[in-house]
Amino acid sequence: GQNIDQPTEMTATEGAIVQINCTYQTSGFNGLFWYQQHAGEAPTFLSYNVLDGLEEKGRFSSFLSRSKGYSYLLLKELQMKDSASYLCAFSRSDKLIFGTGTRLQVFP
Amino acid sequence: NAGVTQTPKFRILKIGQSMTLQCTQDMNHNYMYWYRQDPGMGLKLIYYSVGAGITDKGEVPNGYNVSRSTTEDFPLRLELAAPSQTSVYFCASTLQGNPTEQYFGPGTRLTVT
Repeated sequence: GQNIDQPTEMTATEGAIVQINCTYQTSGFNGLFWYQQHAGEAPTFLSYNVLDGLEEKGRFSSFLSRSKGYSYLLLKELQMKDSASYLCAFSRSDKLIFGTGTRLQVFP
Repeated sequence: NAGVTQTPKFRILKIGQSMTLQCTQDMNHNYMYWYRQDPGMGLKLIYYSVGAGITDKGEVPNGYNVSRSTTEDFPLRLELAAPSQTSVYFCASTLQGNPTEQYFGPGTRLTVT
């Protein structure tokens, strides 16, 4: 079967670093995506990993280990506007399979 | 480019009514998708299309129908609305299926009472 898990909620302080983990199980895998979704809005693309390792994009980085079925999203220098849900999704056969999302609250 | 547009933004339906959710993209994308998102949950794939004239079921297709007569449009039809279909519906598109970033429309918030 296929499964994808991430924590339901996390909290952090402005200026801090937070790591959101995602584990997945699937028989087919073409890549791992992270999306950001603010309340009441559509998801927007953050990052994509197809090979093992770290991809850095400004304050956001994403890591993938295919052998372990594990990914994380790292957010540095947190800002209040980073309060949102972060959706992990793996790509398989022209489709994305999404986790339930991690709701991140950033406090001053 | 307008990207992916969806209409209506909000809709309230009575049980048993029918409606069509519209989705249009102007990016010449081949692949289009319909998702539903229940409160506090992730996105569940309803139907998808890899090109005009081709559609396929996703994880939760029951109670819905789709068509893809043009590259730009991918409407979602609810025939007999049920309270379980209360949700936010997102349409998305991408140039090629695997694996590329999907672009999402703003969503349609549907309530069935």
